[in-house]
Amino acid sequence: AQTVTQSQPEMSVQEAETVTLSCTYDTSESNYYLFWYKQPPSRQMILVIRQEAYKQQNATENRFSVNFQKAAKSFSLKISDSQLGDTAMYFCAFMKHERDDKIIFGKGTRLHILP
Amino acid sequence: EAGVAQSPRYKIIEKRQSVAFWCNPISGHATLYWYQQILGQGPKLLIQFQNNGVVDDSQLPKDRFSAERLKGVDSTLKIQPAKLEDSAVYLCASSHNRVRAYEQYFGPGTRLTVT
Repeated sequence: AQTVTQSQPEMSVQEAETVTLSCTYDTSESNYYLFWYKQPPSRQMILVIRQEAYKQQNATENRFSVNFQKAAKSFSLKISDSQLGDTAMYFCAFMKHERDDKIIFGKGTRLHILP
Repeated sequence: EAGVAQSPRYKIIEKRQSVAFWCNPISGHATLYWYQQILGQGPKLLIQFQNNGVVDDSQLPKDRFSAERLKGVDSTLKIQPAKLEDSAVYLCASSHNRVRAYEQYFGPGTRLTVT
């Protein structure tokens, strides 16, 4: 069974700083998706970034980038120039590259951006 | 494009009562998901529909939970009778189809408190 572990329950950083959220996962699959989702206090979950395991290049979306280490089964999220609106719960998630497979979420990291 | 709609946003009931949640997915999305998110945890899939058929309900507690998507569009999730441990946020999500399950869009959720 696949598992996703986020070892940082809560983090705080000053506005404009860079912050890295950690995630490790366990799987025997070779092809899969990894995700970072953001859930602001209003609770609407939105996708921040998605990585396909067969792609060696790390995904980036504006200020958000990942460090995907397939051999180490590590998938960290870096937020550059953090903004107050980045305050949210961040979930790391995994899904096998198969139709109908379910998304497995970690327990989340609560990120506070301080003014 | 309108997002995933859910109602009600909040619900408080006593244990042993029944409750129903409603979800309207993004127009044209054939696949619909219900998740349970207990405080401090990531979402967990309860049931997945493809049009009006159930694809996966392996994690749905069928002795008290039921769900339907009769016309293949909106869906209802019911709990009867509710237990204290059912207190959670119930999230609905949709994707264009099963192949694109990696691209799910989430609604704002319904926060259920069972007293």
